[in-house]
Amino acid sequence: ILNVEQSPQSLHVQEGDSTNFTCSFPSSNFYALHWYRWETAKSPEALFVMTLNGDEKKKGRISATLNTKEGYSYLYIKGSQPEDSATYLCAFVKGGATNKLIFGTGTLLAVQP
Amino acid sequence: ETGVTQTPRHLVMGMTNKKSLKCEQHLGHNAMYWYKQSAKKPLELMFVYSLEERVENNSVPSRFSPECPNSSHLFLHLHTLQPEDSALYLCASSQALAASTDTQYFGPGTRLTVL
Repeated sequence: ILNVEQSPQSLHVQEGDSTNFTCSFPSSNFYALHWYRWETAKSPEALFVMTLNGDEKKKGRISATLNTKEGYSYLYIKGSQPEDSATYLCAFVKGGATNKLIFGTGTLLAVQP
Repeated sequence: ETGVTQTPRHLVMGMTNKKSLKCEQHLGHNAMYWYKQSAKKPLELMFVYSLEERVENNSVPSRFSPECPNSSHLFLHLHTLQPEDSALYLCASSQALAASTDTQYFGPGTRLTVL
């Protein structure tokens, strides 16, 4: 059984705070890691796809890093805004397994004005 | 808008009813997926279609029956469901099944309640 763990489960921050959360995944047979942002009552929206150890991706105030050897990825949000409030999901793809995503349970971020 | 639509958005059905969930993608993708999200659980892959052919069935009970009549449409036919099948059902599509770095584009989901 492949487990993808995300922590913390939920996070409350004030507007302007920077924050980060973690996705842990099996370090063996790694192929790719996806990050999604999911606002309530909307569709999950893709943020990043990461494949290389040491990879760092950035989109505006959101960035992510990847460590495939130890099996974790960090997502960072700089200067959180209320519109960043959402659930952030990561999904692991193991080698040779086509495009089958194995999701974590997500981190729910609430940013208070 | 992700280019993937789902109808209905909400559905309440009895255990003896038959209903269908519909998904449509306007992205020209070749792979489509059904996921289930139960409370406090991660998204679980149910079915995968590639070029209208089912390539994966993740041990899903036969009371869920998928259908992919063409590459743009995906249905999930429901019959004699149980209350524990109440969940959010999400559809997704991607350009190709074989490329594990392809982004999957999700619909907004159907919130299903089985009474």
